[in-house]
Amino acid sequence: EAQVTQNPRYLITVTGKKLTVTCSQNMNHEYMSWYRQDPGLGLRQIYYSMNVEVTDKGDVPEGYKVSRKEKRNFPLILESPSPNQTSLYFCASSLSGAAGGNEQYFGPGTRLTVT
Amino acid sequence: KQEVTQIPAALSVPEGENLVLNCSFTDSAIYNLQWFRQDPGKGLTSLLLIQSSQREQTSGRLNASLDKSSGRSTLYIAASQPGDSATYLCAVRPGGGKLIFGQGTELSVKP
Repeated sequence: EAQVTQNPRYLITVTGKKLTVTCSQNMNHEYMSWYRQDPGLGLRQIYYSMNVEVTDKGDVPEGYKVSRKEKRNFPLILESPSPNQTSLYFCASSLSGAAGGNEQYFGPGTRLTVT
Repeated sequence: KQEVTQIPAALSVPEGENLVLNCSFTDSAIYNLQWFRQDPGKGLTSLLLIQSSQREQTSGRLNASLDKSSGRSTLYIAASQPGDSATYLCAVRPGGGKLIFGQGTELSVKP
């Protein structure tokens, strides 16, 4: 089944403890992206990757890191999480990120709480 | 800076009604616009993608239109059903890898 998977689905952690949220897609998509969703603010893009080894900042990249060492995986890293990073996180992918683009497929989300 | 607005924020209709959801964007320089559905506590499901050169796309009871010059898109849902209850989001692709979302319209279809 074609899908985007995220792990973990739920995570409660403490301030300053490094964590990684994994994202994997099995559709051979070139483009992958991370978003956070907050009440009243909607969905905002954190980072995106047009292809392997190519990443770029979205609208809210502060406090996050990403890497794209292989096509199928795009982990989101919080080196020193803070309470303002408590949010619902989504990973997405599409066949291409080039002009015109393609429809994006979203993972099920990761609910992160930082205390 | 591109901004995407969806009005109304919430909408409640009786089953069977036809309805229109609105999406507006401030910069007409977009590559495409996509409509999504989000159920409570779930991820987003893509409904329709309209490229900048297209005027509309249809899928079943759904029809999405795009008027780039006026910065508007509409999602028309025919013969609404309780199962259509969800939050509907539109997002525009201004270029590169960015995607900018509206805040969504929460739709409730009453039996």
